[in-house]
Amino acid sequence: DVKVTQSSRYLVKRTGEKVFLECVQDMDHENMFWYRQDPGLGLRLIYFSYDVKMKEKGDIPEGYSVSREKKERFSLILESASTNQTSMYLCASSARMRGAGTGELFFGEGSRLTVL
Amino acid sequence: KQEVTQIPAALSVPEGENLVLNCSFTDSAIYNLQWFRQDPGKGLTSLLLIQSSQREQTSGRLNASLDKSSGRSTLYIAASQPGDSATYLCAVIQGAQKLVFGQGTRLTINP
Repeated sequence: DVKVTQSSRYLVKRTGEKVFLECVQDMDHENMFWYRQDPGLGLRLIYFSYDVKMKEKGDIPEGYSVSREKKERFSLILESASTNQTSMYLCASSARMRGAGTGELFFGEGSRLTVL
Repeated sequence: KQEVTQIPAALSVPEGENLVLNCSFTDSAIYNLQWFRQDPGKGLTSLLLIQSSQREQTSGRLNASLDKSSGRSTLYIAASQPGDSATYLCAVIQGAQKLVFGQGTRLTINP
């Protein structure tokens, strides 16, 4: 079975702190994604990576950066956390599919971040 | 711009019933459509992926259909159980990072 593991299920941070959210997948997938999920707003894409060291901005990249130094690991970084970044963060991975760009998506368990 | 709508937003049915969840989309130029379930406070669990060349997929008590021309997909759940209670989301896939999610249908199965 595909496994996408997010290192922290729950985090509480203070405004201005630097926050790292880690995601590891074990299926050798090319594509990896970071979403945030908020009530009433649904899932919104923050960043997408289609290969090692490659990244593309999603719909809401402001205030976030990412790192993909190894194929299996995709990190989301909040350089200076703010209260409006309190949210559920979801990592996903998928295989690259010719023509469609992405195959079936597999999500991690999510990281609930609270910024005080 | 692709819009994905799931109606109803919430559904409550007694255990044992067969039920249908709906997902509609405005742009039929899609590659795949994927159905997920999400339990409270958890991530999304993949249920079924339907490729654009397919009309349906089945997994156990679940059957998903896709009609691109009408912009509709349905998820059929047979013989519902309390453990099926969750939020069900559909996602339309138009490219590597072009995924559009519906808002979900919150399903409650009453024992």
